[in-house]
Amino acid sequence: ETGVTQSPTHLIKTRGQQVTLRCSSQSGHNTVSWYQQALGQGPQFIFQYYREEENGRGNFPPRFSGLQFPNYSSELNVNALELDDSALYLCASSLVSFPRSDGYTFGSGTRLTVV
Amino acid sequence: SQQGEEDPQALSIQEGENATMNCSYKTSINNLQWYRQNSGRGLVHLILIRSNEREKHSGRLRVTLDTSKKSSSLLITASRAADTASYFCATDYSGNTPLVFGKGTRLSVIA
Repeated sequence: ETGVTQSPTHLIKTRGQQVTLRCSSQSGHNTVSWYQQALGQGPQFIFQYYREEENGRGNFPPRFSGLQFPNYSSELNVNALELDDSALYLCASSLVSFPRSDGYTFGSGTRLTVV
Repeated sequence: SQQGEEDPQALSIQEGENATMNCSYKTSINNLQWYRQNSGRGLVHLILIRSNEREKHSGRLRVTLDTSKKSSSLLITASRAADTASYFCATDYSGNTPLVFGKGTRLSVIA
């Protein structure tokens, strides 16, 4: 299977609820990164997983958490949703290499709306 | 925080013209990448240029990198209406660090 698949594509949640977003990485990739993109802004890095371990985190509170599974699929969990969490959530997979020779492969994203 | 800053924020050109977008960044990098995003969708990787490279081509795309000025440019030649999208530069510090994206340039190509 090629490409990165994200589910669901759209989601509406109420403030205070919890949400889980899912991502299936591109075959052969061992790293997954999650980004939040507010309307009209660039993607903001949330965290990155390499071989099931978190190996980098952006400026996001602990209520944003994640998992990477042995098959390199991944989840992003957000607790206690706030209105400002409304955004496009992007998952990207990549293959760690030194030096890097390829870019990230992004999924189409999950559009989360918090009301 | 955003590492790269694209300029201009928005660009509108006629089909057939060339489009140039610039990106400036703040600290030393391992490589710089350009991505394209159609409205509200995922990003598509266009091109990667390493810190020891000065210019790279891919089809109608030409990317330059000036590490002394900490800047890069993306040139799209003979633009088409289908090139209408947002374009982002992303910097990579070490090859194993997360990409840091700028705010993007919104390109509109008018047929």
